[in-house]
Amino acid sequence: QKEVEQNSGPLSVPEGAIASLNCTYSDRGSQSFFWYRQYSGKSPELIMSIYSNGDKEDGRFTAQLNKASQYVSLLIRDSQPSDSATYLCAAGDSSYKLIFGSGTRLLVRP
Amino acid sequence: SQTIHQWPATLVQPVGSPLSLECTVEGTSNPNLYWYRQAAGRGLQLLFYSVGIGQISSEVPQNLSASRPQDRQFILSSKKLLLSDSGFYLCAWIKDPTDTQYFGPGTRLTVL
Repeated sequence: QKEVEQNSGPLSVPEGAIASLNCTYSDRGSQSFFWYRQYSGKSPELIMSIYSNGDKEDGRFTAQLNKASQYVSLLIRDSQPSDSATYLCAAGDSSYKLIFGSGTRLLVRP
Repeated sequence: SQTIHQWPATLVQPVGSPLSLECTVEGTSNPNLYWYRQAAGRGLQLLFYSVGIGQISSEVPQNLSASRPQDRQFILSSKKLLLSDSGFYLCAWIKDPTDTQYFGPGTRLTVL
């Protein structure tokens, strides 16, 4: 069974610090990887997508992919209290379906 | 640009009552459509997905069903709700297999 694993947290970091969120996936056929942010009571919104090994940066966010280790991470620099949310990792293949992890709750302390 | 709508936003229903949730997508054609359920404090559970009109794939056996009567319309139904059907129901769409899934605003269902 295809799985995506995340630590449920909460991950607590002080304001201005780097938050590091991690995710592993079981299906070596996965081709696309996504990080979503979900505020309490709201629907998930896309933060980053990554398809190739290495780093991809977008503002304060950096996604990292290591297909050999089946590992995806999301770094949030200069963390803000508004970044406090649950972060969902997802992996997709050519079947049009995404497999989601259960999410990591991030708490940024002012 | 593409927009996805869901309604109603919230719903409180008694056990045993029927259910109909609707999702529509604007600004694209022939999208792949998905229904997810998220129980309180839990991850996303894929319920159904559809690659075209009248084509429905079920991921989890349950008392729910889905239909796609039009290209950009996806409906989630039940004849008799259970307490365990409570949750946050999310509709999502995607155009290409490796593309991003975009979510609608969701429907919060409480079954009493």
